[in-house]
Amino acid sequence: DAGVIQSPRHEVTEMGQEVTLRCKPISGHDYLFWYRQTMMRGLELLIYFNNNVPIDDSGMPEDRFSAKMPNASFSTLKIQPSEPRDSAVYFCASSLAYNEQFFGPGTRLTVL
Amino acid sequence: AQTVTQSQPEMSVQEAETVTLSCTYDTSESDYYLFWYKQPPSRQMILVIRQEAYKQQNATENRFSVNFQKAAKSFSLKISDSQLGDAAMYFCAYRSPSNYQLIWGAGTKLIIKP
Repeated sequence: DAGVIQSPRHEVTEMGQEVTLRCKPISGHDYLFWYRQTMMRGLELLIYFNNNVPIDDSGMPEDRFSAKMPNASFSTLKIQPSEPRDSAVYFCASSLAYNEQFFGPGTRLTVL
Repeated sequence: AQTVTQSQPEMSVQEAETVTLSCTYDTSESDYYLFWYKQPPSRQMILVIRQEAYKQQNATENRFSVNFQKAAKSFSLKISDSQLGDAAMYFCAYRSPSNYQLIWGAGTKLIIKP
């Protein structure tokens, strides 16, 4: 069974550009989480969905960040416009109800 | 609010030996879940082991086992017969049954000496 799939694995962009990160959760999982990892702040939960509905987006740093989950097998995290301080590794994770979260391989974002 | 503390920024162990990574947490809840995740240089977060607070028996997964001391709010990870592939950052995490958010420790970097 395939795990959580994220694309791209690496993204390099210039300040001001729009960035879209993609995630395909494990089939059958009803929760999806977006995290950001930096050396300074560690792992931060940005937003999570239950059955495609955003439940808690209090971790989204500012309005430049948005996330969608149009269906059970796809989610996007968009940053517009991007800034150098957005450089980080972004993880998507999914889980089935109360069970543990399974993480994707992450997307390393570099904003120049 | 719940907190998770990993007091060892870095640990090293000789290959084939046993190492224990520490984790303490603070909570007023009686029921919760605890996890250890491993993050190797590939940066993939991999679940190592999980423990439900209502279970008195310590969880075990092959060479990995935990020492769960609920009263002391301690959740240490023991790795037996350490292998080079065990080298990674290890994160302890807490989850409330009423909230799907994981509370993470700062991580412990484990170095395996050949």
